[in-house]
Amino acid sequence: KAGVTQTPRYLIKTRGQQVTLSCSPISGHRSVSWYQQTPGQGLQFLFEYFSETQRNKGNFPGRFSGRQFSNSRSEMNVSTLELGDSALYLCASSLSPDTQYFGPGTRLTVL
Amino acid sequence: GESVGLHLPTLSVQEGDNSIINCAYSNSASDYFIWYKQESGKGPQFIIDIRSNMDKRQGQRVTVLLNKTVKHLSLQIAATQPGDSAVYFCAGPMGGTSYGKLTFGQGTILTVHP
Repeated sequence: KAGVTQTPRYLIKTRGQQVTLSCSPISGHRSVSWYQQTPGQGLQFLFEYFSETQRNKGNFPGRFSGRQFSNSRSEMNVSTLELGDSALYLCASSLSPDTQYFGPGTRLTVL
Repeated sequence: GESVGLHLPTLSVQEGDNSIINCAYSNSASDYFIWYKQESGKGPQFIIDIRSNMDKRQGQRVTVLLNKTVKHLSLQIAATQPGDSAVYFCAGPMGGTSYGKLTFGQGTILTVHP
């Protein structure tokens, strides 16, 4: 069974731009969670989607948003990028509620 | 508040030794805990999980122990190999309405010397 896939793997943007990241969960998994990982803050929860509905949200500003499609694929969007948004963005899928399996992440660099 | 913490930020061992990585948690309502391994440039890789109704669970070369009395869990790696060098995280859902939200510890950097 294929694992969680994320695209793109690397991204360079400038301040003020917006970005969309994509995540394809493990087949059969309907829950998709997103995390931001930085050296200073570690892994922080962004939001979780299940059956196209956001069920949970972390403490991030409204510039961070997401959605889930009927095939469970998910996207997250960050608008008006700031330097501090540079991070590894991780997607994880699970048979909710259960152990989460992570993708390789998207490394976002904001210049 | 809710947290998952680790006792030591780094652990250095010799190849062939057994490694023990510890983790403390504050919320007793977690249904399960998970250990992840993260290598440089990669996403966290699932190692093993344990349900709250268990005290011990074994996998291939790994054992997780859960002590609910003192809110502590540990990951034991037998015959540690250089390929085990990575950052190890414990994580768990910290109770309440925590759909899809895992709280992670800061991580322990394991270095295995050949």
